[in-house]
Amino acid sequence: NAGVTQTPKFRILKIGQSMTLQCTQDMNHNYMYWYRQDPGMGLKLIYYSVGAGITDKGEVPNGYNVSRSTTEDFPLRLELAAPSQTSVYFCASSSTGTGNIQYFGAGTRLSVL
Amino acid sequence: AQSVTQPDIHITVSEGASLELRCNYSYGATPYLFWYVQSPGQGLQLLLKYFSGDTLVQGIKGFEAEFKRSQSSFNLRKPSVHWSDAAEYFCAVGDNTNAGKSTFGDGTTLTVKP
Repeated sequence: NAGVTQTPKFRILKIGQSMTLQCTQDMNHNYMYWYRQDPGMGLKLIYYSVGAGITDKGEVPNGYNVSRSTTEDFPLRLELAAPSQTSVYFCASSSTGTGNIQYFGAGTRLSVL
Repeated sequence: AQSVTQPDIHITVSEGASLELRCNYSYGATPYLFWYVQSPGQGLQLLLKYFSGDTLVQGIKGFEAEFKRSQSSFNLRKPSVHWSDAAEYFCAVGDNTNAGKSTFGDGTTLTVKP
């Protein structure tokens, strides 16, 4: 049981480039989330999904897009990378069956230069 | 809107000493409360949770936390800290009505002195 898997682990982008951060979970959780974590700060919710085909904005959605075509996958897209998007990104999943405990991936460390 | 405050950014304790990490929350109803731990370069892992019932909850690695409704607090404790407990600790309040979203505090970094 792999849990929540994020790829890549590290990435360096140039300003204006685009990329997709991948997230997949094998626990059949209906809820999935994307967070960013800046140094010395907690987690800020970017987007979340309550099931396949349903997504919604979190606290800090600007500059990002998501899709949820399957229960397992929840990719995060950066269209025009900016230095302000340098951060560590975490994907998480949960379900009402687990009491909304969130299970996290190991993170993607992104630098935009 | 729900919120979480962790007043201590950084705490240093000696190995074998007791530990208490503070957490205060704001939430309109009975909250779901969580403590997560993050080791360097890793994602967050659940230590313990409170949903209802007994206000003293036990978690993994010898941690416990006490829910005090009157103080809007959910402090994390451990009687004797081990060097391997050095990590960042996050308190979170969960919204039990809306997609299971959680709001996280800014974290407390624990350093353990030998």
